[in-house]
Amino acid sequence: DIQMTQSPSTLSASVGDRVTITCRASQGISRWLAWYQQKPGMAPKFLIYKASTLQSGVPSRFSGGGSGTEFTLTISSLQPDDFATYYCQHYNNFYVTFGQGTRVE
Amino acid sequence: EVQLLQSGGGLVQPGGSLRLSCAASGFTFSASAMIWVRQAPGKGLEWVATVSPNGDIAHYADSVKGRFTVARDNSRDTVSLQMNSLRVEDTALYYCAKGFLLGVVTPADYWGPGTLVTVSS
Repeated sequence: DIQMTQSPSTLSASVGDRVTITCRASQGISRWLAWYQQKPGMAPKFLIYKASTLQSGVPSRFSGGGSGTEFTLTISSLQPDDFATYYCQHYNNFYVTFGQGTRVE
Repeated sequence: EVQLLQSGGGLVQPGGSLRLSCAASGFTFSASAMIWVRQAPGKGLEWVATVSPNGDIAHYADSVKGRFTVARDNSRDTVSLQMNSLRVEDTALYYCAKGFLLGVVTPADYWGPGTLVTVSS
């Protein structure tokens, strides 16, 4: 199975900060990567697919990048609503896996 | 509006069985793969299973293979997860989710609210 590793596990930031989360795959996955945001007590929200394409309705301060084994999620100017946990997920094959999550606090 | 209404969670003893259901509306159910993802208390997301749009293909995580079965009824826009031989480590919030892309290999764009499964003696 492909392992997904996110860093950091926890990120402390302030409103207005530029924030970057990294996701690494144990083998190449081209650009078959998605990002999700989850707030406490809520279901995950789909943010980005194919590494960098924003899902409809997602604010443009979110951006994704990378290919192969290294990917990033960047929030250009952190807003109060963005404090949450973020997960990457590969969908390179049937056995999709998630990263362990990055909590932005 | 896409809606996924989940039911069927609860408390079960180790070795027991439970069936989760998910009723979908607001999209063409028969055109979408359906996905189950779980989240143990205080932990991250774990993919459990995916079923193809017409139900002929299903894939499972190694942790549940041989114990869980996913099925769908496209005439009723429902998907189910039959869980047998439950273990303490299966305790989690189980999410039903809609596949975003055509086919089985897909991220999930809409998620249900989750249903809690607790396996304990």
